[in-house]
Amino acid sequence: DAKTTQPTSMDCAEGRAANLPCNHSTISGNEYVYWYRQIHSQGPQYIIHGLKNNETNEMASLIITEDRKSSTLILPHATLRDTAVYYCIVFDSGTASKLTFGTGTRLQVTL
Amino acid sequence: DGGITQSPKYLFRKEGQNVTLSCEQNLNHDAMYWYRQDPGQGLRLIYYSQIVNDFQKGDIAEGYSVSREKKESFPLTVTSAQKNPTAFYLCASSWNNSPLHFGNGTRLTVT
Repeated sequence: DAKTTQPTSMDCAEGRAANLPCNHSTISGNEYVYWYRQIHSQGPQYIIHGLKNNETNEMASLIITEDRKSSTLILPHATLRDTAVYYCIVFDSGTASKLTFGTGTRLQVTL
Repeated sequence: DGGITQSPKYLFRKEGQNVTLSCEQNLNHDAMYWYRQDPGQGLRLIYYSQIVNDFQKGDIAEGYSVSREKKESFPLTVTSAQKNPTAFYLCASSWNNSPLHFGNGTRLTVT
C-alpha cells in the first residue's frame, strides 16, 4: 500500500503558483519525501526530494512540516507544460528497492 | 547522452505467447527495476535487481521473469501465465539509492 495521500486532481492558472499537498502521517525517521511527475505515456521524472528541511531546485520547492507528516510541492510559476500527474512517495534510502507509487495528483494548468 | 532505453515503445502479442521487454542503461547504475502501470493507476513493482546476477520479486511478480546477466541490461519476460499482461511497463535504474531514473516505457497489448 502507498504510504501517502494526495488529492486526485487540481487545477492551476498559468503563471500562478501550484501548491500540491501530500500527507504522509506514518513516515518514519529515515524516510525521505520524493516527488516525481509523469506526463502522459512517458516515464516519471524526478523533481525534488527532502528529509526534514525545505528544499528548492530549478524545478520546484518542497516544504516539509516540522512533524514531517505532510509536505507541499510548489511550482512557483506553473506553465501548460507542467500539466501532469504528480506523485509524492516516501521511502528509506536504505530500502529504495521497495519504492511504491500511489495514484498521484493530476494537475491541470489552464490559460 | 546517458539514459535508460526501453524498446520497443509499442508491442503487440497474441495471448499465450511469451514476450520479452528490453531495458538498457548506460548510467553505470547498479540497481534496476521493473514497474507496471495500468490506466489511471500508480506504478506497481514487478522485479528489482540491486546487483548483477541477483534479483528480487516485487509486489506483483507472478507471471513475470527477469535476468540480470549484465549491469547494463535487465530484460523482463511476460509469460503466458500472466493473466492480464496488457499494460504500460516502465524500467528504472538508480545508483547508491539516488532518485530513480525512468525509461519512457513499453506499452504492451495482448489480444
